[in-house]
Amino acid sequence: NAGVTQTPKFRILKIGQSMTLQCTQDMNHNYMYWYRQDPGMGLKLIYYSVGAGITDKGEVPNGYNVSRSTTEDFPLRLELAAPSQTSVYFCASSYSSQAGNVEKLFFGSGTQLSVL
Amino acid sequence: DQQVKQNSPSLSVQEGRISILNCDYTNSMFDYFLWYKKYPAEGPTFLISISSIKDKNEDGRFTVFLNKSAKHLSLHIVPSQPGDSAVYFCAASRTGGFKTIFGAGTRLFVKA
Repeated sequence: NAGVTQTPKFRILKIGQSMTLQCTQDMNHNYMYWYRQDPGMGLKLIYYSVGAGITDKGEVPNGYNVSRSTTEDFPLRLELAAPSQTSVYFCASSYSSQAGNVEKLFFGSGTQLSVL
Repeated sequence: DQQVKQNSPSLSVQEGRISILNCDYTNSMFDYFLWYKKYPAEGPTFLISISSIKDKNEDGRFTVFLNKSAKHLSLHIVPSQPGDSAVYFCAASRTGGFKTIFGAGTRLFVKA
């Protein structure tokens, strides 16, 4: 049972560099999410997707881009890394209930990113 | 604007006693609430949830209470165990919405 898999686990970037955080899930969930966790700030939603080809902004989308070409994969792209993007990034997936609620999220183990 | 608030950054409890973690929300459209538990270097994991049509949901040692008029929910852990030491996140969503909004978390320490 792989669940939600994120790579890499750790990364150090220089200011202005770009990178892609990979996320894949094998539960056939239609919903996928990217969150960032800053100390004392909880989890902030960056982007989300309700299905292949459909993405939308969350609470803190600036500086990031996403794509969803398949149900399984939801990569997060940082184009010009900035120190403010130093954080722990979590990918998550879920399904919707018949009542229309987003059911519980399944999270990956996170990516610790430092921008220096 | 924080829509989900956990005003206690940390809580320390003796093993065997009750732990009570609190959460407030401001958006009256929220109708589904969840608690997640997070250990260091791991992703959050789902713990328990409650729909707004209920005021209580219980799962073993964990009980969540919802007070809609006060826009307040709480998580009770009885009895608390050292393995319960973790960060607990309160989260909320609404029917027809796609987003789950999280609070800042409360770090629980259970002392043996």
